Amino acid sequence: QKEVEQNSGPLSVPEGAIASLNCTYSDRGSQSFFWYRQYSGKSPELIMSIYSNGDKEDGRFTAQLNKASQYVSLLIRDSQPSDSATYLCAVRGSSASKIIFGSGTRLSIRP
Amino acid sequence: GAVVSQHPSWVICKSGTSVKIECRSLDFQATTMFWYRQFPKQSLMLMATSNEGSKATYEQGVEKDKFLINHASLTLSTLTVTSAHPEDSSFYICSAGTGPMNTEAFFGQGTRLTVV
Repeated sequence: QKEVEQNSGPLSVPEGAIASLNCTYSDRGSQSFFWYRQYSGKSPELIMSIYSNGDKEDGRFTAQLNKASQYVSLLIRDSQPSDSATYLCAVRGSSASKIIFGSGTRLSIRP
Repeated sequence: GAVVSQHPSWVICKSGTSVKIECRSLDFQATTMFWYRQFPKQSLMLMATSNEGSKATYEQGVEKDKFLINHASLTLSTLTVTSAHPEDSSFYICSAGTGPMNTEAFFGQGTRLTVV
C-alpha cells in the first residue's frame, strides 16, 4: 500500500463548477497535510495546509481533513482554466520530518 | 510564502562528469532541506533529507556516494550528482521548511538535468 494515494485522473471539470480532489494516507499518526499545485515543467506550489479535522477555507479553495478515515480532500470552487494542473497531496508522517507526496491528480478545466 | 531559490534552473552535462545544484532559503533559516527527484509524468520522490551541520539522511535505494549532499549553513544546501549518466536525467527539486512547527515546505524552482 502506498503511503499517500491519489487518483491519477485526468479529472475533467467544466469552468465555473466545483472540482473535488481526494487523497488517502496510511500513517494514522500523521499530523500535517498539504495540497500543492504543479504546472507542467514547474516545481510544486503550496496551496493549502491543514492540521486538524474539519474544513479550512482560503478563497476558492477548501481543504477537508478526516483523520479517523485517513482522508483529506481539496475543493476548488468556481473552477477556472488556470486551475488546470496536477494537484499533489502531501503528508508529514508521525515519525519523521519528511513529507511524502502522492502521485498527483491531473485536473483539466474545460471552457 | 517563504522563498527558496535553486540554481541552476537547467543544466546539460556530459556523461561521467559531475554537476552541483544549489538550494538557498532567501528569507528564513532552514535547518532541514529536502531533495526530490521527479521523472516525467511521475510524482516527487524524496531522495534525501539535508541537515545543517550533520550528515544527510538518504532514502532507501538512493546512493549516497553518487548524490553528495552538503548543508554547510542555515541557508544553503547543495546536491552534487557525481559521474552522471543519462539515466540520472531528471527534474531535481529542493524544499525547505518553515511555518508553525516547521511543517510547511516551500520549493525551489527546480533544476532540469540532462546528461548526454
